[in-house]
Amino acid sequence: DVKVTQSSRYLVKRTGEKVFLECVQDMDHENMFWYRQDPGLGLRLIYFSYDVKMKEKGDIPEGYSVSREKKERFSLILESASTNQTSMYLCASSPPRGQVQDTEAFFGQGTRLTVV
Amino acid sequence: AQKVTQAQTEISVVEKEDVTLDCVYETRDTTYYLFWYKQPPSGELVFLIRRNSFDEQNEISGRYSWNFQKSTSSFNFTITASQVVDSAVYFCALKGGTSYGKLTFGQGTILTVHP
Repeated sequence: DVKVTQSSRYLVKRTGEKVFLECVQDMDHENMFWYRQDPGLGLRLIYFSYDVKMKEKGDIPEGYSVSREKKERFSLILESASTNQTSMYLCASSPPRGQVQDTEAFFGQGTRLTVV
Repeated sequence: AQKVTQAQTEISVVEKEDVTLDCVYETRDTTYYLFWYKQPPSGELVFLIRRNSFDEQNEISGRYSWNFQKSTSSFNFTITASQVVDSAVYFCALKGGTSYGKLTFGQGTILTVHP
């Protein structure tokens, strides 16, 4: 089974702190994603990566950056956390196009971040 | 631009009732994929079904069934004889045929099944 693991389930940080959210997948997937989930808004894409060191902005990248130094690991960085970044963050991975299951994304358990 | 709309924010039913979750989508892609995911209280999104744009055949899996209609751009999800364990947030999602696996999600529907 594909496993996507996020380093923390719950996190509390102070305004202005630099925050790292880590995600690791064990299925050698090329594509990895960071989504943010807010009530009434569903999941919105922050950033995604289709290869090591490659990244592209999603729909709401402001205030975030990402790092992908190794294929299995995709980090989301909040350069200076703000209270409006309090949310649930979900990491996902998927194989490249052309593979049998390339249309399905596998999700981690989520990190609930509170910025105070 | 792609868009997915789940007009029902919250649904509350009593156990054994049937319930339908609506999903309407917009896309300019001729090839695309539609999904339903379930998010139980534990938080992890659980994949339920994938349907591609060329396959309008309805699907039934146990108590779950899906009705895909391209003419109305809808992909509705019905739970028959609902159970308390069905209580969760359900998301409909869309992926364009040329994307890298990026999903566009609806707002989600919170389903509560009361005993």
